[in-house]
Amino acid sequence: AQKVTQAQTEISVVEKEDVTLDCVYETRDTTYYLFWYKQPPSGELVFLIRRNSFDEQNEISGRYSWNFQKSTSSFNFTITASQVVDSAVYFCALSEGYKLSFGAGTTVTVRA
Amino acid sequence: EAGVAQSPRYKIIEKRQSVAFWCNPISGHATLYWYQQILGQGPKLLIQFQNNGVVDDSQLPKDRFSAERLKGVDSTLKIQPAKLEDSAVYLCASSTRPDSREQYFGPGTRLTVT
Repeated sequence: AQKVTQAQTEISVVEKEDVTLDCVYETRDTTYYLFWYKQPPSGELVFLIRRNSFDEQNEISGRYSWNFQKSTSSFNFTITASQVVDSAVYFCALSEGYKLSFGAGTTVTVRA
Repeated sequence: EAGVAQSPRYKIIEKRQSVAFWCNPISGHATLYWYQQILGQGPKLLIQFQNNGVVDDSQLPKDRFSAERLKGVDSTLKIQPAKLEDSAVYLCASSTRPDSREQYFGPGTRLTVT
């Protein structure tokens, strides 16, 4: 069964528009972590944010913000005022114990 | 601080041939992971080492894949013989801790099997 679902396959926006990426997860653990990773064309996975299951406080970090809602098992991620350099594949991931499960990814294309 | 190093970056082989990938983790990182990322999918864990011991290899196709981390530092992943469906990017990651809260990924090796 898919533990992490990213329903959006591709998103295309014009520079300076906001982009929101959806992520829905499934777990029976009470303690877990959620992540967002970015994979630019170079291929390396870059860590963006991490939240633990006990902290539903939503935060903003620079142009990134996230909305964690345990009631709906969602962990959405927003890029504000997108830039061309934000073009990449974005992965949501769930950590249960020592295992990290990734979603299928959302390809974001930011056009100038 | 140097990141996770992987080589080669690209490899093209014919089916039934053998191939090996190398990974050098961040210095001091006891935990090392190998992931397989098929085009259009998220990475899938193949094997996890804690020092030179295997923590999890439940998703490693052991009939053709093998991995070792003999001295608890760098690691080699081998495929023998390769199949067309092994075409993927093979990512190595390392961490200071055995849980998966903080992993640092290398650039990956893109394997094409023809």
